[in-house]
Amino acid sequence: LAKTTQPISMDSYEGQEVNITCSHNNIATNDYITWYQQFPSQGPRFIIQGYKTKVTNEVASLFIPADRKSSTLSLPRVSLSDTAVYYCLVMEYGNKLVFGAGTILRVKS
Amino acid sequence: DAGVIQSPRHEVTEMGQEVTLRCKPISGHDYLFWYRQTMMRGLELLIYFNNNVPIDDSGMPEDRFSAKMPNASFSTLKIQPSEPRDSAVYFCASSLGGFTFLPGQGSGANVLTFGAGSRLTVL
Repeated sequence: LAKTTQPISMDSYEGQEVNITCSHNNIATNDYITWYQQFPSQGPRFIIQGYKTKVTNEVASLFIPADRKSSTLSLPRVSLSDTAVYYCLVMEYGNKLVFGAGTILRVKS
Repeated sequence: DAGVIQSPRHEVTEMGQEVTLRCKPISGHDYLFWYRQTMMRGLELLIYFNNNVPIDDSGMPEDRFSAKMPNASFSTLKIQPSEPRDSAVYFCASSLGGFTFLPGQGSGANVLTFGAGSRLTVL
């Protein structure tokens, strides 16, 4: 039974790097780790996905250690517009993608 | 592609009335999902379809809820009769693949694209 745990909220300032760590101790061999971002009044939006080591795209980086029991989403130089809820997902019981509570990121000026 | 299109964006109705929410998935996506979001319960998966066939409806809260997908480009979520506790934002999402990565399947196949949501208020 894969379950993710991530901080409820984080505060940051513009221009800083933000790292959000998610633990998934029971991740299965075939599971990928996926992060979504949700702005108020919008649906979640895919940010990044990875299996192991490091993945980088134009929006973020995802660091996954060898044991894959955790992952860290890294947002470089955040701006006010990065204020959102960030969800870390792996497969849950019944092979369904279940969203947890997510991490509320507040970026201040 | 215009993305996942949902209608209506906002719906206000009275208890006991029938509510129908509509969704048009991205063309070529074989999977369609209905989620519900509330402050108390977060994002809940209600039901999902593969190639127009319902695969898992265990998240549908009650018999008052029903979902159909008559063809690859259209799905409905119906609540009859509606109750105040059904007030929520209902999201539709679609993806190329299902939840699980299959060997040979390219990365991103199981990435969900969400619509803008339908905000339902039942008075």
